[in-house]
Amino acid sequence: DTEVTQTPKHLVMGMTNKKSLKCEQHMGHRAMYWYKQKAKKPPELMFVYSYEKLSINESVPSRFSPECPNSSLLNLHLHALQPEDSALYLCASSQDPGLNYGYTFGSGTRLTVV
Amino acid sequence: LAKTTQPISMDSYEGQEVNITCSHNNIATNDYITWYQQFPSQGPRFIIQGYKTKVTNEVASLFIPADRKSSTLSLPRVSLSDTAVYYCLVGPVTGGGNKLTFGTGTQLKVEL
Repeated sequence: DTEVTQTPKHLVMGMTNKKSLKCEQHMGHRAMYWYKQKAKKPPELMFVYSYEKLSINESVPSRFSPECPNSSLLNLHLHALQPEDSALYLCASSQDPGLNYGYTFGSGTRLTVV
Repeated sequence: LAKTTQPISMDSYEGQEVNITCSHNNIATNDYITWYQQFPSQGPRFIIQGYKTKVTNEVASLFIPADRKSSTLSLPRVSLSDTAVYYCLVGPVTGGGNKLTFGTGTQLKVEL
């Protein structure tokens, strides 16, 4: 298995809802990432997990809460989002947290906040 | 991480060779140059990586001059399916804080 799988592919949520995005990989990668991508913009790094521990938080608002239950799973919990949080949320993984190459990205979750 | 500058967009026709140049004047000694491709509503996909001179794989070639202040991604005989955004990234392959940082990218449009 050489893929990063993200679910759901599309999500519409209200500003008072709580939802979660899920990411899964079975490549034995020890680093996992969340990126946010607005339309016609490059992906922006949100969080980095190295060996299941949060190593980087790019000053992301607390309404986004990441979780890494095990080495294969990465979740992003969403609560009280704003319409401007609507974007494509991408998950990625890489083999070694010390290596800045070999990233594999998922196809993303298209999130719409209404 | 070194700042990169790419053309915002490029147009081409099927069967032509496309060259996308990336400028990175402040590239560091231990920095590598990496290119990713992204189709609409998909995650970026690694294309090629190099340090100097020329690197070739089944998808593309990467040309890096001796001063390493720029690089050129070459796509031979493009097809409609090569329409995508292409990102040039410059940074160390080890360390660097695990921050894969994307620049603005180049939107390539291939027509018949």
